[in-house]
Amino acid sequence: GAGVSQTPSNKVTEKGKYVELRCDPISGHTALYWYRQSLGQGPEFLIYFQGTGAADDSGLPNDRFFAVRPEGSVSTLKIQRTERGDSAVYLCASSLTPAQEQFFGPGTRLTVL
Amino acid sequence: QKEVEQNSGPLSVPEGAIASLNCTYSDRGSQSFFWYRQYSGKSPELIMSIYSNGDKEDGRFTAQLNKASQYVSLLIRDSQPSDSATYLCAVNGPNTGNQFYFGTGTSLTVIP
Repeated sequence: GAGVSQTPSNKVTEKGKYVELRCDPISGHTALYWYRQSLGQGPEFLIYFQGTGAADDSGLPNDRFFAVRPEGSVSTLKIQRTERGDSAVYLCASSLTPAQEQFFGPGTRLTVL
Repeated sequence: QKEVEQNSGPLSVPEGAIASLNCTYSDRGSQSFFWYRQYSGKSPELIMSIYSNGDKEDGRFTAQLNKASQYVSLLIRDSQPSDSATYLCAVNGPNTGNQFYFGTGTSLTVIP
């Protein structure tokens, strides 16, 4: 079966613009996680969905970041008024149930100029 | 104190040797432990999970967990150049909700 997919693979935007990053999890996986990874660092937790609801959004750095998963499958991470410091690789992972093994997508490399 | 700590390396071993990667964690209530491999420019790939004290073997990989010492390790036997990557330790437990905390990773180079 297909793994986790993410689009776009690369996104270059200008400071102040709005971006959307999409994640399509493994079919049947109820838990979906968003992470951000900077060079030389491990993935940093942003938000976790169980089904359609955001079960834990404590990792979102500020209110410019928002994520949705309206039908319990595909999720979109939305970043408003992008800043240069938002530049990173955004990773999505899914797992069959919470706290089980997570499988990562290929990531979206976001560059804010 | 970071939730999960790893020696950033780099760790270099000759081909065929055993590579030993270590990880410590701060939450004594942690219950689930994972090792991921990440090649440069790629996303993390799950290698192993371990939930109970002791050793768990899968092919050339052995994960070792010691909850009393809050320590988890990964041994790679017969190391191959293709094992050269960054290895990430991840921890999850009741006090973290369903968050996974990742270490910064250990860079491993296997020298042919």
